[in-house]
Amino acid sequence: AQSVTQLDSQVPVFEEAPVELRCNYSSSVSVYLFWYVQYPNQGLQLLLKYLSGSTLVKGINGFEAEFNKSQTSFHLRKPSVHISDTAEYFCAVTSPKSGGGADGLTFGKGTHLIIQP
Amino acid sequence: DAGVTQSPTHLIKTRGQQVTLRCSPKSGHDTVSWYQQALGQGPQFIFQYYEEEERQRGNFPDRFSGHQFPNYSSELNVNALLLGDSALYLCASSSGPIANYGYTFGSGTRLTVV
Repeated sequence: AQSVTQLDSQVPVFEEAPVELRCNYSSSVSVYLFWYVQYPNQGLQLLLKYLSGSTLVKGINGFEAEFNKSQTSFHLRKPSVHISDTAEYFCAVTSPKSGGGADGLTFGKGTHLIIQP
Repeated sequence: DAGVTQSPTHLIKTRGQQVTLRCSPKSGHDTVSWYQQALGQGPQFIFQYYEEEERQRGNFPDRFSGHQFPNYSSELNVNALLLGDSALYLCASSSGPIANYGYTFGSGTRLTVV
């Protein structure tokens, strides 16, 4: 079984400061990793994904994440945050299936990013 | 190009009743997955439909069932509603190997059981 641990339930950051949201996963097979953002009363929007290849993944809105297999981590970073980045961020994992496709996503409990002016 | 469409957006039901939620996938997508998101929690995988069959199921009781239609749209049915079924229900669609497209989520249906 797979699991995802988001180590911080809430992260307060000042505007224009850098931020890192931590994510660790547990899986006995190869993985696909994702970060999603959820604004209040909305669904999930994909920020970025790691499937294979380069371990540094760049996403939308200036976010990036680094896959570290030895530490089973996939931390999300942004060099300078804005008020509009205030939202809930979810890390998720799934595993590829032979013949294509993937299993359902397993999500962490989320990290609430709070941007302070 | 419409994304994933879910209906209704909000719903209030009484304990013991049955409910049906609907999802239209993004154009070009043929796979639909359903997730339950309780307040303050991450989404939990309910099941996935492809080619009108349930392909994978999460840890949810048989009270939760679904259907996929030939046009790829999907329904989630929940019988004998419990107070604990109150949650945001999210539909996600995808197409082909996940390497190409990933999942696209709808805005969800907020179900309240009283």
